[in-house]
Amino acid sequence: GAVVSQHPSRVICKSGTSVKIECRSLDFQATTMFWYRQFPKQSLMLMATSNEGSKATYEQGVEKDKFLINHASLTLSTLTVTSAHPEDSSFYICSARVGGTGDSYEQYFGPGTRLTVT
Amino acid sequence: GQNIDQPTEMTATEGAIVQINCTYQTSGFNGLFWYQQHAGEAPTFLSYNVLDGLEEKGRFSSFLSRSKGYSYLLLKELQMKDSASYLCAVMDSNYQLIWGAGTKLIIKP
Repeated sequence: GAVVSQHPSRVICKSGTSVKIECRSLDFQATTMFWYRQFPKQSLMLMATSNEGSKATYEQGVEKDKFLINHASLTLSTLTVTSAHPEDSSFYICSARVGGTGDSYEQYFGPGTRLTVT
Repeated sequence: GQNIDQPTEMTATEGAIVQINCTYQTSGFNGLFWYQQHAGEAPTFLSYNVLDGLEEKGRFSSFLSRSKGYSYLLLKELQMKDSASYLCAVMDSNYQLIWGAGTKLIIKP
């Protein structure tokens, strides 16, 4: 089956620092990757959609200069939280979809990264 | 606007059957998904419906009525490990997933 990994699984950082989260598709090529954020007891909130080799598409209300997304290859996307603040503390989850629009319907989720900003 | 509705919380007894409903209003429809999410973990795929009718997969079944904008997830022979949140998501005309808020299912012995 399709496997997506995320690294790190947990990270604690100080306010004002930057944190990079990696998302890798291990056994398939992911043309499209998605980044979600989930606050406690709330549903997934899509932050951005990234296609390999192009700029990410951010959802309304998500600051693109704060949440930098790079999707440089078909197996790796990174999310960098810049100048992190305590309110950025959340569960960040990536997912990957095989192929382009309409080619495949299922998103495969990574295990998530728990970010705590102190 | 786009909207997915599902109950916030449900309680059921071990060994019993529970049905979790989901209604939706979206711009376009390219399928409906059910995911299971245990606390502190990422969602895992349960089912996908794009045509009307019932899809059965072991103890779990999912039903779709596109004309009614309605789906349900049926869980049989409930086990304690089924305690989790169940997320309903619809893929819209842009092939983006629109997520419901999730239903927290509590299983009691």
